[in-house]
Amino acid sequence: EPEVTQTPSHQVTQMGQEVILRCVPISNHLYFYWYRQILGQKVEFLVSFYNNEISEKSEIFDDQFSVERPDGSNFTLKIRSTKLEDSAMYFCASSLIGTAKETQYFGPGTRLLVL
Amino acid sequence: DAKTTQPNSMESNEEEPVHLPCNHSTISGTDYIHWYRQLPSQGPEYVIHGLTSNVNNRMASLAIAEDRKSSTLILHRATLRDAAVYYCILYPGTYKYIFGTGTRLKVLA
Repeated sequence: EPEVTQTPSHQVTQMGQEVILRCVPISNHLYFYWYRQILGQKVEFLVSFYNNEISEKSEIFDDQFSVERPDGSNFTLKIRSTKLEDSAMYFCASSLIGTAKETQYFGPGTRLLVL
Repeated sequence: DAKTTQPNSMESNEEEPVHLPCNHSTISGTDYIHWYRQLPSQGPEYVIHGLTSNVNNRMASLAIAEDRKSSTLILHRATLRDAAVYYCILYPGTYKYIFGTGTRLKVLA
């Protein structure tokens, strides 16, 4: 069964450093998403992406964050200058289309720790 | 965004059916009801979804009230591997899921 994959599974970085989290969505999917989950808290939406453009973003997704689909398979989340509060699990998701009856499929996550 | 209400936690014995309730009194006519679960240290996993009619798949059944103001996820025979946080999400197709705190299901051996 096709699945969303994410690399790395764990990343430790120093505050102020740039990190890039990588995702390979399901191959025929057209919509891509990033969510995050701070330890012990809810899963929070960050951004959705379709046709090489951001469709929607949350208040969390400020100028420090960016997303890109650099080739036909990868989808990346970049955090330009990490802060302590960026420590969280980051989940990538994808869906075939963006309608209400379509489901999103999530990856296993990248655990980011900012020191 | 329409809100859902779920019990914080539930317990079930292994091999018994589990009924996980969700209230969504402010649901709109175009909102689909999606259920996900999250096992410890894993990403959310799709379980089932529906609009008005009851739905069955290999993982679970979804019973939707006639007025659509509530729904129930039914696991027919709980196993230890079903211990997870279960989320009920109303999705109008706005490109984002709004997760609540979900129901933490504990399965007792």
